[in-house]
Amino acid sequence: NAGVTQTPKFRILKIGQSMTLQCTQDMNHNYMYWYRQDPGMGLKLIYYSVGAGITDKGEVPNGYNVSRSTTEDFPLRLELAAPSQTSVYFCASTRDPLRKGFGSGTRLTVV
Amino acid sequence: KQEVTQIPAALSVPEGENLVLNCSFTDSAIYNLQWFRQDPGKGLTSLLLIQSSQREQTSGRLNASLDKSSGRSTLYIAASQPGDSATYLCAVRPDSGYALNFGKGTSLLVTP
Repeated sequence: NAGVTQTPKFRILKIGQSMTLQCTQDMNHNYMYWYRQDPGMGLKLIYYSVGAGITDKGEVPNGYNVSRSTTEDFPLRLELAAPSQTSVYFCASTRDPLRKGFGSGTRLTVV
Repeated sequence: KQEVTQIPAALSVPEGENLVLNCSFTDSAIYNLQWFRQDPGKGLTSLLLIQSSQREQTSGRLNASLDKSSGRSTLYIAASQPGDSATYLCAVRPDSGYALNFGKGTSLLVTP
């Protein structure tokens, strides 16, 4: 199993541009999550999904959208990139809510 | 709102020392507490998970304790090695909801 795979690993965006951060897992996990980690800070939950077709907001959802059309994929969409969205983004998945496996992260810079 | 605090923010120790990392949380209504390791430019690796009904968990040289009533957890690392150098994150899951509340982490450097 590849586990949780995130692409791209790095990206620089201009203000106002849009992009999609990809996350896929091959473990047939129902639960998937998107977190962001700002420098020197803990991780904050953006969105999560408890199964295909079901998504819900986390602590910091503004400026982001998600979809969960399949069990494997949970893409995160930024429609109008802002400097405040410069961060490292982590996707995670788990079979149950107790323990999560994290991807290696996407480092996004908005200039 | 759950606040998770980790002390110290950074720690440097010589190889071989035993050390303790601290985590405190403000709301004792937690489902579990988890310790993660994060290496630079990498994702998070789960080290230990303690259910709210448990007092401690051990894995190799790592021992994590939980005092739910006082809102505290400690991660004990025995006989530290340079390979232990990383950032250690504490996270609590509340009784309700799926989100983990993370602390800011302790950056550990073990020198040879």
